[in-house]
Amino acid sequence: SQQGEEDPQALSIQEGENATMNCSYKTSINNLQWYRQNSGRGLVHLILIRSNEREKHSGRLRVTLDTSKKSSSLLITASRAADTASYFCATDANDYKLSFGAGTTVTVRA
Amino acid sequence: GAGVSQSPSNKVTEKGKDVELRCDPISGHTALYWYRQSLGQGLEFLIYFQGNSAPDKSGLPSDRFSAERTGGSVSTLTIQRTQQEDSAVYLCASSLEAIRILSNQPQHFGDGTRLSIL
Repeated sequence: SQQGEEDPQALSIQEGENATMNCSYKTSINNLQWYRQNSGRGLVHLILIRSNEREKHSGRLRVTLDTSKKSSSLLITASRAADTASYFCATDANDYKLSFGAGTTVTVRA
Repeated sequence: GAGVSQSPSNKVTEKGKDVELRCDPISGHTALYWYRQSLGQGLEFLIYFQGNSAPDKSGLPSDRFSAERTGGSVSTLTIQRTQQEDSAVYLCASSLEAIRILSNQPQHFGDGTRLSIL
């Protein structure tokens, strides 16, 4: 079963706007990771946030983590057409595998 | 190679046939993972290898699915007597160490094998 659930399922924005997506999970975690998947390709690791961290930045990406609410958010600022992809959160709730949500599909309109 | 390589990239076969999917992980990565992704869905964990051993095979959907890894490198996922519900993209990933050893390891994915069962 999937540990994480992303919200919304789909998001359409204008180039230059910000995109925000959320992830909720069920059990305690060691860390949470966000991945991007372009159509027909594998997943690409974007950012990892540890359970004792609250916010992390990487370029135009900002990730927050609220362990009390078991939720995380990914913000993409100043979006570009190349950001069009599906975004997945993944948690390591046990000792050997990541559990992925169903993803948020982001479409950036030129 | 620089990344995880999977072959074939596409496979179309008739129901009932056996298929073999191959994954070549990043050199030096000891952990290897197989996932299945159905259309518009997230990733379903299938199996994980640490070196050549697979500590947990419980994610495999049925006994028609098997996987092996030899020499701590290349892995093959075999599906016997394929069914239409096996149609999906099969993704392989590798990481430097298993999560149980080092919990901050990102996984590096191949582009997958798109399997279509007619």
